[in-house]
Amino acid sequence: GQQLNQSPQSMFIQEGEDVSMNCTSSSIFNTWLWYKQDPGEGPVLLIALYKAGELTSNGRLTAQFGITRKDSFLNISASIPSDVGIYFCAGQRGYAGNNRKLIWGLGTSLAVNP
Amino acid sequence: KAGVTQTPRYLIKTRGQQVTLSCSPISGHRSVSWYQQTPGQGLQFLFEYFSETQRNKGNFPGRFSGRQFSNSRSEMNVSTLELGDSALYLCASSLINLSGANVLTFGAGSRLTVL
Repeated sequence: GQQLNQSPQSMFIQEGEDVSMNCTSSSIFNTWLWYKQDPGEGPVLLIALYKAGELTSNGRLTAQFGITRKDSFLNISASIPSDVGIYFCAGQRGYAGNNRKLIWGLGTSLAVNP
Repeated sequence: KAGVTQTPRYLIKTRGQQVTLSCSPISGHRSVSWYQQTPGQGLQFLFEYFSETQRNKGNFPGRFSGRQFSNSRSEMNVSTLELGDSALYLCASSLINLSGANVLTFGAGSRLTVL
């Protein structure tokens, strides 16, 4: 099935560093979602974006809906050990029929060295 | 408010057997989606149910089936299990918001191991 291009695939950083990851697609999306998954658990929603150019923050996390509607970015500032996990992006092309299905990236695995 | 509940959390089956997984969505959520997650393959969409009707379906063989009950609870079934069916099966429910976005809330998953 279709997948988003999510990069980087993995990151190993020092505590306190900032982190950036992104997702791109050849298709236009109406909604971008960012999730985090801890080991042994289901993904948890971090940020939802609904409008091109939108910039939304959730604590130390900031995500942006790209102007072209084909990409999105997630930044984590001043990383801490509990930021460890896999981060997924997901996009929704439309609101009816098959376009309701979320298209997912393969995830960015983040490791933080205390 | 209770989250999405999946049972069982862990199970081990042998090839050729069948398995049924259960999902109780968040109260008020009428849409339930199922995903298969394996290392390196990410989240693969299985199907979505709304008001007891399958609304969308992924590219999985007919061995994978699901249903939704009138109380929005859902089950998925995998028949004639294969080794490659070993995965984390995730259920998610959603309440379609005013923008129409399909924002999913996931359960903790059912970890299936096929021997």
